Amino acid sequence: NAGVTQTPKFQVLKTGQSMTLQCAQDMNHEYMSWYRQDPGMGLRLIHYSVGAGITDQGEVPNGYNVSRSTTEDFPLRLLSAAPSQTSVYFCASSYYARGETQYFGPGTRLLVL
Amino acid sequence: QQQVKQSPQSLIVQKGGISIINCAYENTAFDYFPWYQQFPGKGPALLIAIRPDVSEKKEGRFTISFNKSAKQFSLHIMDSQPGDSATYFCAAADRGSTLGRLYFGRGTQLTVWP
Repeated sequence: NAGVTQTPKFQVLKTGQSMTLQCAQDMNHEYMSWYRQDPGMGLRLIHYSVGAGITDQGEVPNGYNVSRSTTEDFPLRLLSAAPSQTSVYFCASSYYARGETQYFGPGTRLLVL
Repeated sequence: QQQVKQSPQSLIVQKGGISIINCAYENTAFDYFPWYQQFPGKGPALLIAIRPDVSEKKEGRFTISFNKSAKQFSLHIMDSQPGDSATYFCAAADRGSTLGRLYFGRGTQLTVWP
């Protein structure tokens, strides 16, 4: 099992550009989520999904869109990047939604100029 | 509003010493308290977790102490080693809710000096 994979590992964007951060898992997990990690702020939930076709907002959803067409994939879209979105983004998955062990990907480091 | 408060933000311990990280919560519905460990350039990984029916859980050099009445829990790392240098996150979840999402503390950066 590859676990949770994320691409790209690093990305530089200009303000206003759009991009998609990819996340995939091969563990047949129902629950997937996106976090951003900023110094001193911990891990903040952006969006999450409890299954294919079902998504919802976390605590910092503004500026991000998600969709879940398959169990395996959960891409995160930045429609118009802003410098405030400079961060490290982690995707995570778990078999059950209810607080079970979450498996994190290696992260995507995003710099918005 | 921060659901889980973690302290200290950073911690420096000498090799062989005890590292202690504390967390507090307000939501009495929380019933699952994991700790995640994150090394530089990596994603967080589950280290140890406790449920409120026990007051302590030990796995090797890592121990969680849980005080339900005070709504506090802590991570103790005995005989701390340089390889333990990492960022530690406490978290909490209400497994009975329809979401059961994890609420993370802001993290503690631990440095263990050789």
